[in-house]
Amino acid sequence: QAVVTQEPSLTVSPGGTVTLTCGSSTGAVTSGHYPYWFQQKPGQAPRTLIYETSNKHSWTPARFSGSLLGGKAALTLSGAQPEDEAEYYCLLSYSGARVFGTGTKVTVL
Amino acid sequence: EVQLVESGGSLVKPGGSLRLSCAASGFTFSNAWMNWVRQAPGKGLEWVGRIKSKTDGGTIDYAAPVKGGFTISRDDSKSTLYLQMDSLKTEDTAVYYCTTGGKVGSWGQGTLVTVSS
Repeated sequence: QAVVTQEPSLTVSPGGTVTLTCGSSTGAVTSGHYPYWFQQKPGQAPRTLIYETSNKHSWTPARFSGSLLGGKAALTLSGAQPEDEAEYYCLLSYSGARVFGTGTKVTVL
Repeated sequence: EVQLVESGGSLVKPGGSLRLSCAASGFTFSNAWMNWVRQAPGKGLEWVGRIKSKTDGGTIDYAAPVKGGFTISRDDSKSTLYLQMDSLKTEDTAVYYCTTGGKVGSWGQGTLVTVSS
């Protein structure tokens, strides 16, 4: 089974910009992995921020964007707010099976 | 409003069985590919499996740790997703979520399964 890796933790200043990445042990991440990004706050169910690389839901704040960057999927947060402090997970598809990333704890400080 | 409501979680002994349900509303369930995801206490998210819509073939895929022990099914007439879990192990202890991807992109609130003697 593929291993999907994310930064364990990142810190961003309020109003600042941070990029989270999602890499695959099998090689470069492409749009064919249909990357998803999820946000989870303590004690809450996850919620989907980005689907299929860069598509946003109606509830996704405009400051979040998804892309492919340097062979990885990326989630960029531009203009971080205190409420963005959370755990973020990516999800990649591999011919039917799906694998979550290890998660990134984002601190806004 | 899209809603996914899981139920059926409880305390069960190792080797036991349990069936989880996920009642869906607010979207065309029969067209949706549905997933089960779990999260062990204090751990990250783990994909359990996915069932495609019948129009897309109804294919079911499972994560390696649950293959052969868990069975996903759906009843489109009831807009309900199921997860039958057999031969449960202590490491199956987790909150189980049903989710749908794509443009719907919703998650349920989860149901807790505890496997312990």
